[in-house]
Amino acid sequence: DIVMTQSPDSLAVSLGERATINCESSQSVLYSSNNKNYLAWYQQKPGQPPKVLFYWASTRESGVPDRFSGSGSGTDFTLTISSLQAEDVAVYYCQQYYRPPRTFGQGTRVEI
Amino acid sequence: QVQLQESGPGLVKPSGTLSLTCTVSGGSISSDNWWSWVRQPPGKGLEWIGEINQGRGTNYNPSLKSRVIISVDRSKNQFSLTLTSVTAADTAVYFCSGGTVGVWELLHYWGQGTLVTVSS
Repeated sequence: DIVMTQSPDSLAVSLGERATINCESSQSVLYSSNNKNYLAWYQQKPGQPPKVLFYWASTRESGVPDRFSGSGSGTDFTLTISSLQAEDVAVYYCQQYYRPPRTFGQGTRVEI
Repeated sequence: QVQLQESGPGLVKPSGTLSLTCTVSGGSISSDNWWSWVRQPPGKGLEWIGEINQGRGTNYNPSLKSRVIISVDRSKNQFSLTLTSVTAADTAVYFCSGGTVGVWELLHYWGQGTLVTVSS
């Protein structure tokens, strides 16, 4: 199985400040034939299902504010919130969909 | 817009069988898409259970493989989860999910989730 490890487990950021979440996969999730990273980021708020923020590591889902960005390749990925807003308080998960089992990171809780 | 809705018993007895159904509306269960189940124990993270694609079969989490079956009923536009020999550790919110064009493996569409409690 591909193990996904996020860091940190939680972070507190002031409003308007930058939040950075890292995700490391135990094996590369870059598919060489199409040069795509099979890595997604999700945001989950209490009582709600997860919501896709990014896929292919850096392709922003429609409707996601541009203060969110996704980057990285191979085994190391980053989700950045450039200017934290109150509505960004949530748990964020990375997930590889390179191959089954399509594993998640343990989650990172972002607080104000 | 594709919508998913989970249904099934909210309480299952230990050693019993958990059975959930996901109804897909606003689109069809096409042979291209992967349809998945994910669960989340109270206060914990997300666990991928497995997926089905009508043309390519099923994949399961090895940790659950001996107890899980995922199937599709195309006539009803539904897919289902069966988990046998449940214990308290299987208590969780169960989500169904589906992909989207061009990224069929992505968990793009989600149901609201249904809490299943394993207790006598």
